[in-house]
Amino acid sequence: NAGVTQTPKFQVLKTGQSMTLQCAQDMNHEYMSWYRQDPGMGLRLIHYSVGAGITDQGEVPNGYNVSRSTTEDFPLRLLSAAPSQTSVYFCASSYGQGMYEQYFGPGTRLTVT
Amino acid sequence: AQKITQTQPGMFVQEKEAVTLDCTYDTSDQSYGLFWYKQPSSGEMIFLIYQGSYDEQNATEGRYSLNFQKARKSANLVISASQLGDSAMYFCAMREVDSNYQLIWGAGTKLIIKP
Repeated sequence: NAGVTQTPKFQVLKTGQSMTLQCAQDMNHEYMSWYRQDPGMGLRLIHYSVGAGITDQGEVPNGYNVSRSTTEDFPLRLLSAAPSQTSVYFCASSYGQGMYEQYFGPGTRLTVT
Repeated sequence: AQKITQTQPGMFVQEKEAVTLDCTYDTSDQSYGLFWYKQPSSGEMIFLIYQGSYDEQNATEGRYSLNFQKARKSANLVISASQLGDSAMYFCAMREVDSNYQLIWGAGTKLIIKP
């Protein structure tokens, strides 16, 4: 099993550009989520999904879109990149919405200039 | 208000000593779960241990144990016989029913093990 995979590992964008961060898991997990990690802070939830076709906003959703057309994939779209979106982005999945541990991808380091 | 508080931004500990990383939480939910994750300098997030609010015994996983004091709303991670490879950031996190099981994170503690 590959677990949770994320691409790309690193990305540099100019202000105003858009891009999609890819996330896939092969564990048949229903619950998937996107976090951002900024220096000195814990992870903050951007969006999450409890199953294919169902998504919801987390703590910091502005500037990001998600969709979940399959159980395996949960891409995160940056609509118009801003320097404030410079961060490390983690995708995670868990068996379900309950008290389950989350498995994390390796992260994407995004810089917006 | 902070839901998860980790009061130790950084700690230095001598190798082979035990170390306690503090975590206090705030919830009015009766059903919740507490998680600890390790993040080495390589960046990945590694799950360490879980404690459910209804669990009567403290969770243990190898050298990791969780000192769960429900009335004080604390869930401290104890690492016995620390090793150089334990140097990392450690995060406490909580899932609660009232927040739709979203994982809420503390700011983390940077642990450095000295040889």
